[in-house]
Amino acid sequence: EAQVTQNPRYLITVTGKKLTVTCSQNMNHEYMSWYRQDPGLGLRQIYYSMNVEVTDKGDVPEGYKVSRKEKRNFPLILESPSPNQTSLYFCASSRVGVRSPLHFGNGTRLTVT
Amino acid sequence: TQLLEQSPQFLSIQEGENLTVYCNSSSVFSSLQWYRQEPGEGPVLLVTVVTGGEVKKLKRLTFQFGDARKDSSLHITAAQPGDTGLYLCAGARFGNEKLTFGTGTRLTIIP
Repeated sequence: EAQVTQNPRYLITVTGKKLTVTCSQNMNHEYMSWYRQDPGLGLRQIYYSMNVEVTDKGDVPEGYKVSRKEKRNFPLILESPSPNQTSLYFCASSRVGVRSPLHFGNGTRLTVT
Repeated sequence: TQLLEQSPQFLSIQEGENLTVYCNSSSVFSSLQWYRQEPGEGPVLLVTVVTGGEVKKLKRLTFQFGDARKDSSLHITAAQPGDTGLYLCAGARFGNEKLTFGTGTRLTIIP
């Protein structure tokens, strides 16, 4: 089954403790992206990647890192999480860029205390 | 500043009624997508419109892209409880691989 898989689904952590949210897609998509969803603010793009080893900042990249060493994986790294990064995070992929349909994972709900 | 404004933010109507949701911007988009999101899940693509003035139909849902490519609307005929969800528009700008989402319209259809 074609899908985007994020892990974990839920994560509670403390300020400053490094964490990684994994994202994997099995559709051989070139484009992958991370979004955060907050009430009243909608989905905001954090980082995106057009292909392996190519990553670019979205609208809210501060406090996040990503890497794209393989086509299928696009992990989101929070080196020193802070409470304002408490949010619902979504990974998405598409065949080629944002003009192709985006396929979303089921989300990771992160709480930073 | 929100690039894409959706209205209304919340809409609750009776089953069988018609409704229209709007997505407006002062910016021009090369394409615009509509997604529906249900609780605990990621958004799912409904349609992509790419040509100014384009109209696409998906069963009881009709999507229109404005002539100037700055706005879009989603019209639902004879709404059903299964239409309940968060509807999101998302626009891609020319020469840019960022996709900007609207704030969403939360639709509730009352049986």
